[in-house]
Amino acid sequence: EAGVTQFPSHSVIEKGQTVTLRCDPISGHDNLYWYRRVMGKEIKFLLHFVKESKQDESGMPNNRFLAERTGGTYSTLKVQPAELEDSGVYFCASSRQLNTGELFFGEGSRLTVL
Amino acid sequence: GENVEQHPSTLSVQEGDSAVIKCTYSDSASNYFPWYKQELGKRPQLIIDIRSNVGEKKDQRIAVTLNKTAKHFSLHITETQPEDSAVYFCAATYSGGGADGLTFGKGTHLIIQP
Repeated sequence: EAGVTQFPSHSVIEKGQTVTLRCDPISGHDNLYWYRRVMGKEIKFLLHFVKESKQDESGMPNNRFLAERTGGTYSTLKVQPAELEDSGVYFCASSRQLNTGELFFGEGSRLTVL
Repeated sequence: GENVEQHPSTLSVQEGDSAVIKCTYSDSASNYFPWYKQELGKRPQLIIDIRSNVGEKKDQRIAVTLNKTAKHFSLHITETQPEDSAVYFCAATYSGGGADGLTFGKGTHLIIQP
């Protein structure tokens, strides 16, 4: 079984540019989560999809961030325009069941905004 | 919302000794407490979890204890080995509601000294 995959692994962009991160969850996992870790700080929840629907997006920092999961398969997280404080590692995770158990994380997409 | 505090931020122990990492949470409704291990450059992986209906859980050299009254839980690693060196994250959530996003602690960098 393939794990959660994320692309790109590392992206370096200038302030004001746009970046799109992609996550492919484990096949059959309806639940998909985005988290972010800014250097030295905690892993913070951004949002949660159940299939193609946004179940909870309370962690999204502002309207420069847009997440989609069309068709309920892979998800994208777009940052437009990027700011310096958006730098960090963006993790995607998926799980099969909503109310139990293990989250399977991807290896993360490191975003550096210069 | 939930707030998770984790201590210490860095822990250095001699190989073979025990390591203890402590977390507190604020939301008494939280009922699921996983621990994740993240080795350098790799994805966070679940190592052990505990639900609020039990006070302790063990898996070989790893154990987790939960005190619901005090709202704290701890990770215990005995007979530490070099491969235990990593960043460990505790997390808490209410599992059973509509929003299932974990709230993570800031992480503990565990260093095993040979």
